[in-house]
Amino acid sequence: AQSVTQPDIHITVSEGASLELRCNYSYGATPYLFWYVQSPGQGLQLLLKYFSGDTLVQGIKGFEAEFKRSQSSFNLRKPSVHWSDAAEYFCAVGAYSGGGADGLTFGKGTHLIIQP
Amino acid sequence: GAVVSQHPSWVICKSGTSVKIECRSLDFQATTMFWYRQFPKQSLMLMATSNEGSKATYEQGVEKDKFLINHASLTLSTLTVTSAHPEDSSFYICSASGLVGDTKNIQYFGAGTRLSVL
Repeated sequence: AQSVTQPDIHITVSEGASLELRCNYSYGATPYLFWYVQSPGQGLQLLLKYFSGDTLVQGIKGFEAEFKRSQSSFNLRKPSVHWSDAAEYFCAVGAYSGGGADGLTFGKGTHLIIQP
Repeated sequence: GAVVSQHPSWVICKSGTSVKIECRSLDFQATTMFWYRQFPKQSLMLMATSNEGSKATYEQGVEKDKFLINHASLTLSTLTVTSAHPEDSSFYICSASGLVGDTKNIQYFGAGTRLSVL
């Protein structure tokens, strides 16, 4: 069975500082990996995805993530955070059959707090 | 593009009544829709997967007779919580995925429905 671990429940970062959110996964084959952000009152928004190819992927809002197969990790990074980045971040892994997407397995989320 | 609308955003009902939640893909054809449940300060748990025109596939432990899912068109899926009880109170979130372009193999999420059963 696939699983996703986000070891940090809460992270506090000063505005303008760099950010790294950790994600480790367990999956039997090459996974499809995602990072989503959830803000109060809004749906999950896709930040970025990894399907194949270049292991460093760029996303929206200045985020990037690196897929490291040897470490089963897909950590999310941002060089300089903004107060508007405060939210809940979810890492997810998925599989795909010939008919399309399968359901995602999510990590428990990391709550990001931005200090002024 | 790839917008998913979920309605209502919040519903309160009495124990024993049924509640219907709608999930619509507004600008793409959603061949597959998913329903998740999120408990407070916890992760999303997949409840079921539905393909347009087919019966939904439920995850282990999810009661299919309590959580009725219908995916009758390429833009609409509904989740009906039948005979709701307080333990069904939760945040329900839908997502949709298509087969072409930016919707292929990517799930787009609705804003969720908070269900409170009194």
